Amino acid sequence: DAEITQSPRHKITETGRQVTLACHQTWNHNNMFWYRQDLGHGLRLIHYSYGVQDTNKGEVSDGYSVSRSNTEDLPLTLESAASSQTSVYFCASSERSNTEAFFGQGTRLTVV
Amino acid sequence: QKEVEQNSGPLSVPEGAIASLNCTYSDRGSQSFFWYRQYSGKSPELIMSIYSNGDKEDGRFTAQLNKASQYVSLLIRDSQPSDSATYLCAVNTLGGAGSYQLTFGKGTKLSVIP
Repeated sequence: DAEITQSPRHKITETGRQVTLACHQTWNHNNMFWYRQDLGHGLRLIHYSYGVQDTNKGEVSDGYSVSRSNTEDLPLTLESAASSQTSVYFCASSERSNTEAFFGQGTRLTVV
Repeated sequence: QKEVEQNSGPLSVPEGAIASLNCTYSDRGSQSFFWYRQYSGKSPELIMSIYSNGDKEDGRFTAQLNKASQYVSLLIRDSQPSDSATYLCAVNTLGGAGSYQLTFGKGTKLSVIP
């Protein structure tokens, strides 16, 4: 079955370190998204991509970057982790821009 | 900033009752609307999608869309304790560079009391 997987599921890192969260989907979807979820804020879009070599900033992109070198993967990099980036991160993918998105299991990141 | 608004709840209903969840959105150009269910500590799971005005039924779930009022709702009939979760409304909104993206409400927490 096609799926979308995130790794790691849990990570603790120190302030100032670079961190990369992986997202891999086997749906062959062109569209991929990264969200963060925090109490009181809901799901907020960080970055998204509509295809290979395409990346776009979302609502809360500062301090994050993505790259899309193939259809299956959209890694999210925190350039210099900050405590404010402690959150649960979800990757999602969709077939087209007006269709539903399917989510990965999430990564719980703690920055100490 | 395109907005999607939901009552945060918690919404408590007795087992077997109808749960009614509501959502309003600000982008009149939105064309796709979704309801996700999220259990505590889990990822959002799609339960309904709706694209045109009116009602769409799937088992115990009915989604209702009124584009003129910019309103979408979810009814859960014969509510079960297993329906206790946070329900997220998501709307396809026009973002930068003419591309569409999913914007989520903050969610409504539903508790079904046995």
